Amino acid sequence: AQSVTQPDIHITVSEGASLELRCNYSYGATPYLFWYVQSPGQGLQLLLKYFSGDTLVQGIKGFEAEFKRSQSSFNLRKPSVHWSDAAEYFCAVATLSGGYNKLIFGAGTRLAVHP
Amino acid sequence: GAVVSQHPSWVICKSGTSVKIECRSLDFQATTMFWYRQFPKQSLMLMATSNEGSKATYEQGVEKDKFLINHASLTLSTLTVTSAHPEDSSFYICSAPGRDEQYFGPGTRLTVT
Repeated sequence: AQSVTQPDIHITVSEGASLELRCNYSYGATPYLFWYVQSPGQGLQLLLKYFSGDTLVQGIKGFEAEFKRSQSSFNLRKPSVHWSDAAEYFCAVATLSGGYNKLIFGAGTRLAVHP
Repeated sequence: GAVVSQHPSWVICKSGTSVKIECRSLDFQATTMFWYRQFPKQSLMLMATSNEGSKATYEQGVEKDKFLINHASLTLSTLTVTSAHPEDSSFYICSAPGRDEQYFGPGTRLTVT
């Protein structure tokens, strides 16, 4: 069955430090992978997505992610974190169902940023 | 970009009553919409797929008689929580699929007292 694992429930970094959020997936075919961010009480905002092609994907807000098929991973990175990046981050894989892509989400990683 | 709205953004209701949540695609048509439920500090769990003009498809373990879904038009899907109980308190989020991504509504926080 398809699944997404985010091993880190909570991460704290200092402002200006680099960030890497881990995501591992289980999917039989070529996955469609996404990273979303959710601020408190808000809906989800798409940071970036991977369907095919270049395995290093650039997103909004200075985020990037690298797809590594051999490791079944799609880790999210940012070279310098800003205090406004504090939020919940979700990795998701899309599974085709009835002609549309259903999303399976990981448990999420809550990011705290120290000044 | 595509915009999905939800109404209300938050609602408080008494135990035993029903509450309706609307999900609208504002600038595009959506023959399919998805409804998710999110408990505090947890991930989103897909509840059901709403299909315009036909019955919704529910995920395993979701009570279809409790969570009524109606997709009456190409831009509107509604989720009605019937006979709500405190354990139904949650954050409900809808989404509509675009060409290669899903567009999410801002969510509705339901509190059942």
